[in-house]
Amino acid sequence: EVQLVESGGGLVQPGRSLRLSCAASGFTFDDYAMHWVRQAPGKGLEWVSGISWNSGSIGYADSVKGRFTISRDNAKNSLYLQMNSLRAEDTALYYCAKGSMIAVAYFDYWGQGTLVTVSS
Amino acid sequence: AIQLTQSPSSLSASVGDRVTITCRASQGISSALAWYQQKPGKAPKLLIYDASSLESGVPSRFSGSGSGTDFTLTISSLQPEDFATYYCQQFNSYPQITFGQGTRLEIK
Repeated sequence: EVQLVESGGGLVQPGRSLRLSCAASGFTFDDYAMHWVRQAPGKGLEWVSGISWNSGSIGYADSVKGRFTISRDNAKNSLYLQMNSLRAEDTALYYCAKGSMIAVAYFDYWGQGTLVTVSS
Repeated sequence: AIQLTQSPSSLSASVGDRVTITCRASQGISSALAWYQQKPGKAPKLLIYDASSLESGVPSRFSGSGSGTDFTLTISSLQPEDFATYYCQQFNSYPQITFGQGTRLEIK
């Protein structure tokens, strides 16, 4: 059974940093692209960042480019999101999502999310 | 960036109804479109990929169509468990990926 478990969320002040983690199990982690998708309270879905299986291809939404860094450790079956210079508008539930076999950017499995709140 | 506009933003329907949700892209995206269902407090679930292919395990009452800029998600006969919010998503411009704003499907 595929499982994605996010952690690392919490309350942080504007301008500070936070690192999210996603622990993956139930599939061959290093065969698939992985992504972070967020959802602000009561709002829609926003893709944040994605990384290919070998970290050779990485992308970011314009809203986080230059502030967030995605990475993965295939030996640990883990995905990360380093978030710097956090803003109030980064407040959201952050989901880890697995890219599908069909295409790297269809999300066929999702975690339950970790909540990030940016507030003073 | 490619924008996706869903219509309607919300919809009231009854069990057994046939429902169609539309997603329009700001420029052509071939068939690089997916549909997701999200229930309150839950993660999204992939329903349709490549505009019209049904994800494994998804009931056949769900179907998708379209290519280029205009796409539709159809539920042929609404079931109680189908009341949720639906999102379209494109990746034609990967690594820029965008979602539509969502369509909330409510019980009439």
